[in-house]
Amino acid sequence: GDSVTQTEGQVTVSESKSLIINCTYSATSIGYPNLFWYVRYPGEGLQLLLKVITAGQKGSSRGFEATYNKEATSFHLQKASVQESDSAVYYCALSDQGGSAKLIFGEGTKLTVSS
Amino acid sequence: SVLLYQKPNRDICQSGTSLKIQCVADSQVVSMFWYQQFQEQSLMLMATANEGSEATYESGFTKDKFPISRPNLTFSTLTVNNARPGDSSIYFCSSRGTGGYEQYFGPGTRLTVL
Repeated sequence: GDSVTQTEGQVTVSESKSLIINCTYSATSIGYPNLFWYVRYPGEGLQLLLKVITAGQKGSSRGFEATYNKEATSFHLQKASVQESDSAVYYCALSDQGGSAKLIFGEGTKLTVSS
Repeated sequence: SVLLYQKPNRDICQSGTSLKIQCVADSQVVSMFWYQQFQEQSLMLMATANEGSEATYESGFTKDKFPISRPNLTFSTLTVNNARPGDSSIYFCSSRGTGGYEQYFGPGTRLTVL
């Protein structure tokens, strides 16, 4: 079936250091999935961080970026220099471009940025 | 984008009781979705609700246990029947913005069943 894998449940990074959160997907029943990163800050709801719907393209928002790599079936989230305010839980997700818009989520990666 | 509101923010109930979670959108939306999230796990789609038709449930979720109403294009209600401690989780509603692929989420309702 279709799935999203985030290998790190928790990540701790020092402020101003670089970050990468890994995301790989399997889309056996979906030809060309849409890919998303959502973020949940402490005490807040789930927010869309960025999306990419075309393979090979990069999405970016708030200093974060992710590239849709169809060959590697990956959509890793990166940031060059994290801030304490980036501490949150990040979820990678995919949906079917032509279908029901059902979102399939990874298990989330909790990022803690230490000062 | 779409703004979604949920009520209540949290609830504590006894086993065997039923409770309702409401979701209101600030604009008309075709489809509303309900997700369940257990602690430290991913969000799982429970069902899709379109106005005027029966909700479509994902595997593992049933109409008898989680009836969903969608009386108009801005409102939906999820009911948890015969609540059990295993139903303790966060419930989110979401909808898709017009013309976009992304979904927007409500703040969630944290349910604890004793």
